[in-house]
Amino acid sequence: GQSLEQPSEVTAVEGAIVQINCTYQTSGFYGLSWYQQHDGGAPTFLSYNALDGLEETGRFSSFLSRSDSYGYLLLQELQMKDSASYFCAGADSNYQLIWGAGTKLIIKP
Amino acid sequence: DSGVTQTPKHLITATGQRVTLRCSPRSGDLSVYWYQQSLDQGLQFLIQYYNGEERAKGNILERFSAQQFPDLHSELNLSSLELGDSALYFCASSVPAGGHEQFFGPGTRLTVL
Repeated sequence: GQSLEQPSEVTAVEGAIVQINCTYQTSGFYGLSWYQQHDGGAPTFLSYNALDGLEETGRFSSFLSRSDSYGYLLLQELQMKDSASYFCAGADSNYQLIWGAGTKLIIKP
Repeated sequence: DSGVTQTPKHLITATGQRVTLRCSPRSGDLSVYWYQQSLDQGLQFLIQYYNGEERAKGNILERFSAQQFPDLHSELNLSSLELGDSALYFCASSVPAGGHEQFFGPGTRLTVL
């Protein structure tokens, strides 16, 4: 089976960089997805790492290391609108997603 | 706008009642997923349908059932409702081999009184 662990809350300052970690225990793991969810809103897809290494999309980057069963989401030049919950989700061989419990990102001015 | 639609947006009902939530996936997407999210909680995967067939089951209660119709829209039926069923219910869709990238509808907020 799979389980994913991520911190429940992270606090950062506007303009700074923050990293949200995700560790997993799994069998048959095929990749790691990241989603953003604002309060009261729907989750939106941010990125997917099928291979080890860094994927960059604008201010957001995501990293995966299979050997360490570890990934992270890196947010740069933080803006107040980045205040949201961030979920990591592991994909199995059938592309089913197993979800982490989510990390609430609090950004202070 | 993800292209996934859900109705109704809000639903208020009483304990013991039965409700039906509806979801239309993005055009071309064959997979539909249902999730439950209680207040300040993570996403609980309920069930997945692919082209009309049940594909995977998560933590779905026996009081809950779902189906996907030939036009690919899906319905989630919740019966014998309890106070603890109050939650946001999301539907998501994805392309056949793209379950890692799911597109979520706006959700239905269910309140059981």
